[in-house]
Amino acid sequence: NAGVTQTPKFQVLKTGQSMTLQCAQDMNHNSMYWYRQDPGMGLRLIYYSASEGTTDKGEVPNGYNVSRLNKREFSLRLESAAPSQTSVYFCASSDLGTGVRDTIYFGEGSWLTVV
Amino acid sequence: RKEVEQDPGPFNVPEGATVAFNCTYSNSASQSFFWYRQDCRKEPKLLMSVYSSGNEDGRFTAQLNRASQYISLLIRDSKLSDSATYLCVVNIYGQNFVFGPGTRLSVLP
Repeated sequence: NAGVTQTPKFQVLKTGQSMTLQCAQDMNHNSMYWYRQDPGMGLRLIYYSASEGTTDKGEVPNGYNVSRLNKREFSLRLESAAPSQTSVYFCASSDLGTGVRDTIYFGEGSWLTVV
Repeated sequence: RKEVEQDPGPFNVPEGATVAFNCTYSNSASQSFFWYRQDCRKEPKLLMSVYSSGNEDGRFTAQLNRASQYISLLIRDSKLSDSATYLCVVNIYGQNFVFGPGTRLSVLP
């Protein structure tokens, strides 16, 4: 019953440091996503990968890079962390495009603080 | 105009009350509709899909009005455990999911 697993759950970074958030899904989904959620802002899409080997920018991609390592794994990298990147990050996956009743499944979130 | 808009909330209701949430979407090509529930400091989880004919799951009823581009969620006999943020989500077949900002519900004893 793992579903979508993301690590780490909590991280504190200093401004300018880099880090990678890891995400893996075991549902054989084609599509994977990274969102951030800030108080009062709702979920905002950072990057997504519609299928293995492809990645595309979402609504707020600046300051981030992603890698779709294989069908299971999709990582998010902060090259030079800034305080504005303090947020909760959610990885998600879906089988988008295979049926009109596709749904999206989320990991438990990663709480990132940049000081 | 935002793609998906919801009642701003918060809604504070007593236990046992009936509460309704509204959601509107701007893209008439939207094809799939969902309500998600998000507890404090947790991930969003699917509450129910919304079908054209409307659907019910226990105390929860979802309605879709394509002509008005409007989705609703009705919760009857509210429980303390219903306290959460409710997210309206729409999807165009083959494209990404679009999330509303959420409506927070607090059910009071």
